[in-house]
Amino acid sequence: KAGVTQTPRYLIKTRGQQVTLSCSPISGHRSVSWYQQTPGQGLQFLFEYFSETQRNKGNFPGRFSGRQFSNSRSEMNVSTLELGDSALYLCASSLRGFDTEAFFGQGTRLTVV
Amino acid sequence: AQSVTQLDSHVSVSEGTPVLLRCNYSSSYSPSLFWYVQHPNKGLQLLLKYTSAATLVKGINGFEAEFKKSETSFHLTKPSAHMSDAAEYFCVVSDLDYGQNFVFGPGTRLSVLP
Repeated sequence: KAGVTQTPRYLIKTRGQQVTLSCSPISGHRSVSWYQQTPGQGLQFLFEYFSETQRNKGNFPGRFSGRQFSNSRSEMNVSTLELGDSALYLCASSLRGFDTEAFFGQGTRLTVV
Repeated sequence: AQSVTQLDSHVSVSEGTPVLLRCNYSSSYSPSLFWYVQHPNKGLQLLLKYTSAATLVKGINGFEAEFKKSETSFHLTKPSAHMSDAAEYFCVVSDLDYGQNFVFGPGTRLSVLP
């Protein structure tokens, strides 16, 4: 069974640009969540999608957005990049969220210069 | 609001000795609790989870955790550390009635000395 796949693995972008990250969940999983990991703030929840609808949202500015497609694949977009957006972005998939096991991808390392 | 405190940012043990990683949580509801491990340059892997069934939870690789509601704790233990256990460990709480909104602790880095 294939795991959670995140692409690309590494990205370098310039301040002010926008970026799109992709996450393919495990087959059959309908919940996809996104997290930001930085040395200073640790792991923080961005948002969760379930059946193409955003079900939960963390405390991030509107520059961070996402969507989920009918095949459960998800994308997150960050517009007007800032240096502080440099982080490891992790995607997790689960059957239905909450108390079901979440499987994490290896992440996308975004560097903003 | 939920929160998680991991009492030690770094724990160092000798190979073959017990491991104790401490976690306290704050939650408005009956939470689900998890421990995840992150090896360098790898994603997060679930060690174990508590979801209101047995209070003593067994996980992978010999790890266990005990849920103590009165102490709001969910400490992770292992009887005998192995070199391969060296990693970052995260305690996680989730207490929504639906959906996933993991709140991660700051992490504890476990070093295992030969």
